[in-house]
Amino acid sequence: NAGVTQTPKFQVLKTGQSMTLQCAQDMNHEYMSWYRQDPGMGLRLIHYSVGAGITDQGEVPNGYNVSRSTTEDFPLRLLSAAPSQTSVYFCASSYSPSGGLNHANTGELFFGEGSRLTVL
Amino acid sequence: AQKVTQAQTEISVVEKEDVTLDCVYETRDTTYYLFWYKQPPSGELVFLIRRNSFDEQNEISGRYSWNFQKSTSSFNFTITASQVVDSAVYFCAPGGGGADGLTFGKGTHLIIQP
Repeated sequence: NAGVTQTPKFQVLKTGQSMTLQCAQDMNHEYMSWYRQDPGMGLRLIHYSVGAGITDQGEVPNGYNVSRSTTEDFPLRLLSAAPSQTSVYFCASSYSPSGGLNHANTGELFFGEGSRLTVL
Repeated sequence: AQKVTQAQTEISVVEKEDVTLDCVYETRDTTYYLFWYKQPPSGELVFLIRRNSFDEQNEISGRYSWNFQKSTSSFNFTITASQVVDSAVYFCAPGGGGADGLTFGKGTHLIIQP
């Protein structure tokens, strides 16, 4: 049972380079999201998706693109990396954004192990 | 959208002491959800609890307990007889059930000294 899988776990980029962080889940969750974690800032939402073909911006979307062509995959693209994007990135999935009104569903977010990105 | 304040940036206690982590939230939603997550030094995020706003019963799970006070918009987390393995960053995260999911606090770094 893989859960949420993120790759790569570590990446070093130079300013201006592009890259894609991959995220895949095998729980058939409709909801997927990307967070970034910076020291003293907690986790901040970058983008999210409520299902295949549907994405939307979170709190800090600038500099990032996402797409959701399948239920399983939700890649995060950095088009032109900047030092300010140095962070730890977490992908998460859930049956629904926070459980909705379904008492039987814990609504918890299942997180990947994180991807540490350094932009020089 | 929700707002959440975890005023305690860092707490350090000696093993076996009880410790309470505070969480105060703001929301305009009439129905909402409150979560706690743990992030140990290894970095993964571990789900601890989810509480619905219409269920104000406190909950106990082993050494962990949660006190939900809707009147003061607080959802505090207590660890009884703390252990070194409890050392971690703990995040409180409210959610309104909307597509924007959970709003995470900045976290409380809990250090349990042997």
